[in-house]
Amino acid sequence: QSALTQPASVSGSPGQSITISCTGFRSDVGNYNFVSWYQQHPGKAPQLMIYGGNKRPSGVSNRFSGSKSDDTASLTISGLQPEDEADYYCCSHSGGNNWVFGGGTKLTVL
Amino acid sequence: QPHLQESGPGLVKPSETLSLTCIVSGGSLRISNFRWAWIRQSPGGGLEWIGTFYYSDNTYYNPSLKSRVTISVDTPKSQFSLKLSSVTAADTAVYFCARQPNIFDAFDIWGQGRLVSVSS
Repeated sequence: QSALTQPASVSGSPGQSITISCTGFRSDVGNYNFVSWYQQHPGKAPQLMIYGGNKRPSGVSNRFSGSKSDDTASLTISGLQPEDEADYYCCSHSGGNNWVFGGGTKLTVL
Repeated sequence: QPHLQESGPGLVKPSETLSLTCIVSGGSLRISNFRWAWIRQSPGGGLEWIGTFYYSDNTYYNPSLKSRVTISVDTPKSQFSLKLSSVTAADTAVYFCARQPNIFDAFDIWGQGRLVSVSS
């Protein structure tokens, strides 16, 4: 199973919106509605931000939203804040009982 | 909600077996609504799913690691373990344990991670 493809980096200014893409294959992103997104600050464990493609766990800001089109999932962060600066990873079910992560995207808040 | 904590040696010699334990406090491993997983992250790298244990005693592994990985559960002690055999420097990583609810198929609670270095 190959890793999902994410841009290495994205950036935006406070208050702006950014979108991070996550491209997979018909066997993973395209075939399931189980894409999840994780935020990871340096030296910390990842934190679940989006699950089931577009659902937020309790406590996660509604500035974070998810979507999917064909084999590509996306995470949008609106109203960027300095604390959003972190690495972001997507994850998808990948055939049978396997899971695959994206390579990660570093978000810089300018 | 439960707390997860990894423990085990931080240094393993090449060709030996890496062994880590995840202690789950505040919840039972037998609750049928959850699965329990191991995930690793190489230094400066991305996340890699290693394997998941189901309450029904089925375990699923990353195909690229399957020949070397074993995940087992000790329900009375509320802990589950990872064993990775024949390690090389490429197995140096931070190893995370995590919970996977069945209802939304994501990793919702993570341990803080345990850095394991493979070196002689």
